[in-house]
Amino acid sequence: SQKIEQNSEALNIQEGKTATLTCNYTNYSPAYLQWYRQDPGRGPVFLLLIRENEKEKRKERLKVTFDTTLKQSLFHITASQPADSATYLCALLGNTGFQKLVFGTGTRLLVSP
Amino acid sequence: NAGVMQNPRHLVRRRGQEARLRCSPMKGHSHVYWYRQLPEEGLKFMVYLQKENIIDESGMPKERFSAEFPKEGPSILRIQQVVRGDSAAYFCASSPPGQAVYEQYFGPGTRLTVT
Repeated sequence: SQKIEQNSEALNIQEGKTATLTCNYTNYSPAYLQWYRQDPGRGPVFLLLIRENEKEKRKERLKVTFDTTLKQSLFHITASQPADSATYLCALLGNTGFQKLVFGTGTRLLVSP
Repeated sequence: NAGVMQNPRHLVRRRGQEARLRCSPMKGHSHVYWYRQLPEEGLKFMVYLQKENIIDESGMPKERFSAEFPKEGPSILRIQQVVRGDSAAYFCASSPPGQAVYEQYFGPGTRLTVT
C-alpha cells in the first residue's frame, strides 16, 4: 500500500545548527514533492516544491533534496532559530489524482536557544 | 492580499445536527481543496473543486458529506447528522490557475467538535 513516512519523534536541536528532516515514501511515483510548515492551531504554510527531475532546491536557509531512486526527500534548515520550531509536513502529489496532495504525519522540530 | 479565509474557526455541534463550514479562497484563485486532520493523524484529502464543479471527491465519505463551490460566494463543506468521529480540524486550501497550481495555500482551519 502507499505510504509516506516521517519521523514521528520530535527533533531537538540547538540554535545555529542545521536541522535535517526525512521523508520516505513507498508505492508512489510522485511528480512533485512539497514541504509545509504547520504551527499549533494553524493551517499548513507552503515552503518549497521540488519536481521529480530536480535533485535539489534552495530558498534562503532552506534546502530540499529529492532522490526518486531512494524514494526519499531530505529537508534542511541551516542556521536554525527558535522561531523555526514547528511541525514540518512532507506532501506528495498523488499519482491517482494530479491535484490531490497526500501528506505525511509530520515531524516536530524544536530549536533551543 | 488576504489569505484563505475560513469560518467559523470553532464549531460545536451535537450528534445528529448539521455542520456547515465555509471557505473563501485567495483572490484570483479558482481551485479549492478540503482536507481533514484528525487528532494525531496527518491531513487527508477530501475533495477538489473548481467553480461550480467537483473535480475529485475521492476522499469524501460516501454518506453525510457534501461540498460545493458556487459561481458566487464561498465554498461550503456540509456534514449532515454529525457523529463524534467527525470531530476534527477541517482545512481549506486554494491555488491559482496556471503553472502555480501545484502550490496550495491553506486557511486557518475550522475545528469541529461533536458532543
